[in-house]
Amino acid sequence: QSALTQPRSVSGSPGQSVTISCTGTSSDVGYYNYVSWYQQHPGKAPQLMIYDVSGRPSGVPDRFSGSKSGNTASLTISGLQAEDEADYYCCSYAGSYTLLFGGGTKLTVL
Amino acid sequence: EVQVVESGGGLVQPGGSLRLSCAASGFTFSHHWMSWVRQAPGKGLEWVANIKQDGSEKYYADSVKGRFTISRDNAKNSLYLQMNSLRADDTAVYYCARAEQGRYSDYWGQGTLVTVSS
Repeated sequence: QSALTQPRSVSGSPGQSVTISCTGTSSDVGYYNYVSWYQQHPGKAPQLMIYDVSGRPSGVPDRFSGSKSGNTASLTISGLQAEDEADYYCCSYAGSYTLLFGGGTKLTVL
Repeated sequence: EVQVVESGGGLVQPGGSLRLSCAASGFTFSHHWMSWVRQAPGKGLEWVANIKQDGSEKYYADSVKGRFTISRDNAKNSLYLQMNSLRADDTAVYYCARAEQGRYSDYWGQGTLVTVSS
């Protein structure tokens, strides 16, 4: 099982929108609607931001949204804020109660 | 308030064993799948193992299959990870997380560091 593919880094200015992609295969991202996204600040534990492709846990700002097309899922952050600067990881269910993470994307707010 | 707190990390020699524990509170532990996820220094997240609510089903990443064992004690609200035949590439922060139907993790602990080195 190979890790999902994410861009190493993305950047945007405050107020702008950025999208982080997450590419898998027809056996994971493309097959199941069980993609989740996590935010991780340096030295901190990951925090769930999106579940089941586009679900948003309570407390997560609606600036964060998720979507999927084919084998690629996406996380969009609109109205960028300084505190959004962090690492972001996608994760997909891969069958038989196993999970695959992406390599992570570093978001820089310029 | 939902809390999960890991313990048991430390320095161990290659080939050695270590047992991690995770104490859960603030939710009905026996109603939830649980997971272990690790993160090597400066690297990304890697799913390690999942366990069903009653412990009857356990699933592992290929990288740890046959060496690690996930277990739970619902009476003690505790999750465990027994790690045997440890290798240098097992060095990581190990996170305990509540897992929703084994699909995603909605609450994470702060992690415990395992270092495998001679």
